[in-house]
Amino acid sequence: DTGVSQDPRHKITKRGQNVTFRCDPISEHNRLYWYRQTLGQGPEFLTYFQNEAQLEKSRLLSDRFSAERPKGSFSTLEIQRTEQGDSAMYLCASRQVPGRDNEQFFGPGTRLTVL
Amino acid sequence: AQTVTQSQPEMSVQEAETVTLSCTYDTSESDYYLFWYKQPPSRQMILVIRQEAYKQQNATENRFSVNFQKAAKSFSLKISDSQLGDAAMYFCAYRSIQGAQKLVFGQGTRLTINP
Repeated sequence: DTGVSQDPRHKITKRGQNVTFRCDPISEHNRLYWYRQTLGQGPEFLTYFQNEAQLEKSRLLSDRFSAERPKGSFSTLEIQRTEQGDSAMYLCASRQVPGRDNEQFFGPGTRLTVL
Repeated sequence: AQTVTQSQPEMSVQEAETVTLSCTYDTSESDYYLFWYKQPPSRQMILVIRQEAYKQQNATENRFSVNFQKAAKSFSLKISDSQLGDAAMYFCAYRSIQGAQKLVFGQGTRLTINP
């Protein structure tokens, strides 16, 4: 256990429904990342927060996706009007900055299946 | 943009033997980090070993060592005395020291350990 938790671990939904995932980072970590991992591929960056500020979003993050980190602690990732192409593992990671040696710790991921 | 390539989708090794996983990357930066992560089935991604680009000495962590060739942009992982618990997906990853410091992953190599 890395200390980063994600909820739920699995989510099955029908196309067109909205889903929300939660990530609880290591408490003292001020930076939080979201990645998406499709089957047989490496994770791809979606977005990241420095405290409560969302500082960068990938082109992968369409306007159906929104992420928040309201108090600089936990974060939520919402997908509206889900599509079958959204089926993937959504990974959260946290890290403390500054500290160039500090590593990212990953959560167990939320596996989303869109039917 | 940086890219990471793992050209071996699958590798297998006999228990107690040595195996080397390959990784190449592309970047125009001179200072960065490289990582190998391990992702066991249905378990969290964990850091195996890291290498700072400005350090010429190859990193070593117990049975895990790397061969970092900066000019060739090559970063291979050697696992000595392979154990059944080493079976997992292994991802090579790049991290800039600037900006988001997000991880850029390769496609992964699935390592099987034969008893």
